[in-house]
Amino acid sequence: GAVVSQHPSWVICKSGTSVKIECRSLDFQATTMFWYRQFPKQSLMLMATSNEGSKATYEQGVEKDKFLINHASLTLSTLTVTSAHPEDSSFYICSAGGQGDGKLFFGSGTQLSVL
Amino acid sequence: RKEVEQDPGPFNVPEGATVAFNCTYSNSASQSFFWYRQDCRKEPKLLMSVYSSGNEDGRFTAQLNRASQYISLLIRDSKLSDSATYLCVVNIKGGNTPLVFGKGTRLSVIA
Repeated sequence: GAVVSQHPSWVICKSGTSVKIECRSLDFQATTMFWYRQFPKQSLMLMATSNEGSKATYEQGVEKDKFLINHASLTLSTLTVTSAHPEDSSFYICSAGGQGDGKLFFGSGTQLSVL
Repeated sequence: RKEVEQDPGPFNVPEGATVAFNCTYSNSASQSFFWYRQDCRKEPKLLMSVYSSGNEDGRFTAQLNRASQYISLLIRDSKLSDSATYLCVVNIKGGNTPLVFGKGTRLSVIA
């Protein structure tokens, strides 16, 4: 099956710093990637849809200036959490499909802890 | 009303037991349906797609009832390795569009 690689797996940072998370599709081209966030014991919540070569589409309540998304190529999308705060601590997961059958493949996730 | 609702769980069952998970979705126009499995602090992994005709994959059987907007997953002969959180997942618009996740039901299979 399709493989999505996400890096890094764990990040611990100080409040106020910025953190970049990378998501790569390894064996297929992804014009669209999705970024989710999951708090403990909660469901995955869609944050934004990353579109190659154009602006990302953010879900209601997600600040676009805080969560910067760049999708510069067909295999790479990045999420930058700017000026991170402790409340941004969460599990961030990217996903991509590309086969048009509704299935998505997920990166391994990034656990962000902001001190 | 949440878009995808699942049994709250947790389910604690002995090895060999049969366990059933239920799920309902609110958008009648939803296109495709899945069960994913998620282990603690890991990414969700596709367990199986769900069809109106029902489908089976080894010990796992999934069923979709579009009229009642209901999805089920049956696990027979539970193994310790089945312990995980099971996510009911819906693709509302179809194609390469975001998935909507239920909160998940935690299953613990006990020796």
